[in-house]
Amino acid sequence: GESVGLHLPTLSVQEGDNSIINCAYSNSASDYFIWYKQESGKGPQFIIDIRSNMDKRQGQRVTVLLNKTVKHLSLQIAATQPGDSAVYFCAENASGGSYIPTFGRGTSLIVHP
Amino acid sequence: IAGITQAPTSQILAAGRRMTLRCTQDMRHNAMYWYRQDLGLGLRLIHYSNTAGTTGKGEVPDGYSVSRANTDDFPLTLASAVPSQTSVYFCASSASGSTGELFFGEGSRLTVL
Repeated sequence: GESVGLHLPTLSVQEGDNSIINCAYSNSASDYFIWYKQESGKGPQFIIDIRSNMDKRQGQRVTVLLNKTVKHLSLQIAATQPGDSAVYFCAENASGGSYIPTFGRGTSLIVHP
Repeated sequence: IAGITQAPTSQILAAGRRMTLRCTQDMRHNAMYWYRQDLGLGLRLIHYSNTAGTTGKGEVPDGYSVSRANTDDFPLTLASAVPSQTSVYFCASSASGSTGELFFGEGSRLTVL
């Protein structure tokens, strides 16, 4: 998984497998989290978000889990497809001030057909 | 619907030259951001603007300046480019002041020789 401060990790999976991408955040005051997907040569795109009053949120084929106790966030992708190959970033933000999301360094997901 | 438009897409620049990266959004978003993306370092915030007429410094502001004369435009200027500013630059915008996804442009790849 990824963590702010670490090198870009890589996760390789077979098509059809489930993928889990991890993110450790550093700011205990962060209360809003977003996952972004960045395909090669493109800008990041929103996947799913979660607020700190939740521990799980589901989208289409994606689920985000939040564990505030250990400041850990994960993105689960069901039935991974080749089109899911990209770099995935988590971003955290603490409300109450300017909205300045802080991004992790990203995890590269490679899906083998 | 254009969203966020960045220009140029790619540029090679001699060290010491002045360069302005342009960013325009047509979503009437209040907040805009400039990030640089370097391999292994993820997205790092350079400058941001919460609303027209205001700007703020991000994590890596040195060597860069921005202006926000109106809602739509948020240019980033390198007054005297240096090789360490070789990077991919992403402009982003956000509708909300405290939460909400960022919408990214497609990036501007800058090489300083």
